[in-house]
Amino acid sequence: QVQLQQSGPGLVKASQTLSLTCAISGDAISNNGVAWNWIRQSPSRGLEWLGRAYYRSKWHIDYAASVNRRLTISPDTSKNQFSLQLNSVTPEDTAVYFCARDSPAYCSGGNCYGHYFDQWGQGTLVTVSS
Amino acid sequence: SYVLTQPPSVSVAPGKTARITCEGDSIVAYSVHWYQQRPGQAPVLVIYYDSDRPSGIPERFSGSNSGDTATLTINRVEAGDGADYYCQVWDDSSDHPVFGGGTKLTVL
Repeated sequence: QVQLQQSGPGLVKASQTLSLTCAISGDAISNNGVAWNWIRQSPSRGLEWLGRAYYRSKWHIDYAASVNRRLTISPDTSKNQFSLQLNSVTPEDTAVYFCARDSPAYCSGGNCYGHYFDQWGQGTLVTVSS
Repeated sequence: SYVLTQPPSVSVAPGKTARITCEGDSIVAYSVHWYQQRPGQAPVLVIYYDSDRPSGIPERFSGSNSGDTATLTINRVEAGDGADYYCQVWDDSSDHPVFGGGTKLTVL
């Protein structure tokens, strides 16, 4: 079965870079039917999608507007994993970070729709100290 | 951007039926997915594509979607069903997901 294993530090100083990795087992990161996401959760923001990477003949990366200029998601096919780097963090970035796989609900005419998150990592609590 | 609204809390006695709603403008046009999250754990998909159940999810869990409201129904509620539940759709116009604010289910 598919498993996502997260790793990375739980404490980051303000203004520095938050880095997390999600190792995939039971699926290939280059699977062209799914995408690989980062999502965070905090009491103030709830579940907040950050971005995703997916392979459709080439790599595509999408970011949420709220973190677009600070976030980098990088797939690593050699290690079958993907990573998150969030720059210039502030205490507002304190949250539990999850990696997750998304799959489409259905496809029609070559396009796919209604994606949902069917596999999740265990979550990493990241605290940004001021 | 698209907004999903859930009641903050729902309470139900064991053995009864719990219904958790998720409201959005013409939500019937979207595929709605539901997640269960227990404290300290990652969310788990319990319903996808409005009413489909992933393998391993009990038949007690069901979903429906009509008009402006999607509903997660849990029949014969058990103590272990107590958790936070989130609805989610994929906004195809932005190609981004949208989550509801979550509903805390308390089993009395």
